[in-house]
Amino acid sequence: KAGVTQTPRYLIKTRGQQVTLSCSPISGHRSVSWYQQTPGQGLQFLFEYFSETQRNKGNFPGRFSGRQFSNSRSEMNVSTLELGDSALYLCASSLGANEKLLFGSGTQLSVL
Amino acid sequence: GENVEQHPSTLSVQEGDSAVIKCTYSDSASNYFPWYKQELGKGPQLIIDIRSNVGEKKDQRIAVTLNKTAKHFSLHITETQPEDSAVYFCAVSGSARQLTFGSGTQLTVLP
Repeated sequence: KAGVTQTPRYLIKTRGQQVTLSCSPISGHRSVSWYQQTPGQGLQFLFEYFSETQRNKGNFPGRFSGRQFSNSRSEMNVSTLELGDSALYLCASSLGANEKLLFGSGTQLSVL
Repeated sequence: GENVEQHPSTLSVQEGDSAVIKCTYSDSASNYFPWYKQELGKGPQLIIDIRSNVGEKKDQRIAVTLNKTAKHFSLHITETQPEDSAVYFCAVSGSARQLTFGSGTQLTVLP
């Protein structure tokens, strides 16, 4: 079974731009969660989607948004990028909510 | 919200020795406790998990113990090998319906 696939693997943007990251979950998994990982703050929860509905949201500004499609694939968008948005963005999928989350390799975003 | 503390932040052991990493949490309603291993350039990999109705779980060289009363749980790795070297994260899920992660432990197994 293929794992969680995230694209692109690396991304370089400048301040003020926007970015869209993509995540394809494991086949059959309907829950997709997004996390931000930085050396200073560690792993922080962004949001979780299940059957195209956002079920939970972390403490991030409105510039961070996401969506999930009918095939369970998910995207997250960050608008008006700031230097502090530089991080590894991780997607995880699971059958149910918040149990046995399986992570992809992440998208490394650098904001210059 | 949930607060998870993880210790130690770094741990070096000799190959073949045991390693223990400990985590404490704050929300008494927490009911799911996974451990993840993250190698350089990769995402976190689920290595073992435990639910609140179980006190201990073992999978080959890895075991997790949970003390609900004290609100702490631990990861035990026996007979460590160089390939066990990585960053290990504990996590907790409960009333917030999201995983809250500890700050990580860099484990180094010395040959």
